[in-house]
Amino acid sequence: EAQVTQNPRYLITVTGKKLTVTCSQNMNHEYMSWYRQDPGLGLRQIYYSMNVEVTDKGDVPEGYKVSRKEKRNFPLILESPSPNQTSLYFCASSGTPYNSPLHFGNGTRLTVT
Amino acid sequence: AQTVTQSQPEMSVQEAETVTLSCTYDTSENNYYLFWYKQPPSRQMILVIRQEAYKQQNATENRFSVNFQKAAKSFSLKISDSQLGDTAMYFCAFNAGGTSYGKLTFGQGTILTVHP
Repeated sequence: EAQVTQNPRYLITVTGKKLTVTCSQNMNHEYMSWYRQDPGLGLRQIYYSMNVEVTDKGDVPEGYKVSRKEKRNFPLILESPSPNQTSLYFCASSGTPYNSPLHFGNGTRLTVT
Repeated sequence: AQTVTQSQPEMSVQEAETVTLSCTYDTSENNYYLFWYKQPPSRQMILVIRQEAYKQQNATENRFSVNFQKAAKSFSLKISDSQLGDTAMYFCAFNAGGTSYGKLTFGQGTILTVHP
């Protein structure tokens, strides 16, 4: 089954404790991206990747890191989480970033206390 | 910078009736794609419909259709014969080429409730 697998689904952590949210796709997609969803703000793009070893900032990259060492994986890293990063996070992939619809993971609800 | 605005935070409709969700956007690009995504309470994001800017014909997918007005930079979603399963948050999204290639911009979302 074609899918984007995102883990964990829920995560509660404390300020400053490094964490990683994993994202993997099995569709051989070149394009992957991360979004955060906040009430009243919709989804905002954090980082995106056009291909292996090619990443670029979205609209809200501060406080986040990503890596794309393999085509299928695109983890999101929070080196020192803060409460303002409490949010719902989505990973997504597509064949091309322009005209192809995104395939989304199931989301990660992150709470930073 | 490209922006997408959904001016209706919440909408409601009776089952079997028609409802229209509005979306406006701003861009200097001439070629781009527009999308509507649905997010039911399960929070899974699902593509509803997409429109290519260079196509004048409005896209349709079963009960879902769009009214694309390129000059006005408007991209509304019409849902006909609304069903209870249409209850969800709906996001308009915009994807341009050129210098914004790879950047996808979403609107704030509209919560749609379908009443029996």
